[in-house]
Amino acid sequence: GAVVSQHPSWVICKSGTSVKIECRSLDFQATTMFWYRQFPKQSLMLMATSNEGSKATYEQGVEKDKFLINHASLTLSTLTVTSAHPEDSSFYICSAGGTDRYGYTFGSGTRLTVV
Amino acid sequence: QKEVEQDPGPLSVPEGAIVSLNCTYSNSAFQYFMWYRQYSRKGPELLMYTYSSGNKEDGRFTAQVDKSSKYISLFIRDSQPSDSATYLCAMVNNNDMRFGAGTRLTVKP
Repeated sequence: GAVVSQHPSWVICKSGTSVKIECRSLDFQATTMFWYRQFPKQSLMLMATSNEGSKATYEQGVEKDKFLINHASLTLSTLTVTSAHPEDSSFYICSAGGTDRYGYTFGSGTRLTVV
Repeated sequence: QKEVEQDPGPLSVPEGAIVSLNCTYSNSAFQYFMWYRQYSRKGPELLMYTYSSGNKEDGRFTAQVDKSSKYISLFIRDSQPSDSATYLCAMVNNNDMRFGAGTRLTVKP
């Protein structure tokens, strides 16, 4: 079945630094990638939607200059949290879909802790 | 009103019980409906998806969609302790994917 690899699975960084999270579709071409964040005991919150080769569409309230999304190829999308702050600490998850629109597959998630 | 409503629970049932999880939605444009299971500190995994009204069965799981009522359900038969997780409903319209709040389920031995 479809596999999405997300790295790193966890990361600790200092305030003010940037962190890049990668999401790769291993055996299919991901024309669409979704990026979510999830706070403890809460549901997924969509941050942005990206289509290969075009700019990401950000949800209201999500700072596009802070959360940089790149979807340069059909198998790779990255989320960079710039100038991270402790309030950015969260669980970030990507999901990828191909031409089969309901076949979205999630990555395993990245737990970010900013100290 | 949220686009997708799901009772967050928590829901606790004894082993072997039938579990019913439900979501309602307001946007009639949603075309595909999915149920995900999420264990603590893990990414969600797809359990079932469907795109038409009616029932779809897979082992102990049955997904039900009623587009006229904008209501979807997931039934778990013969529930097991390993079914303890958070269950998320999700709906898709083109590239717009929305989730319910998730229902935390505990199945007690």
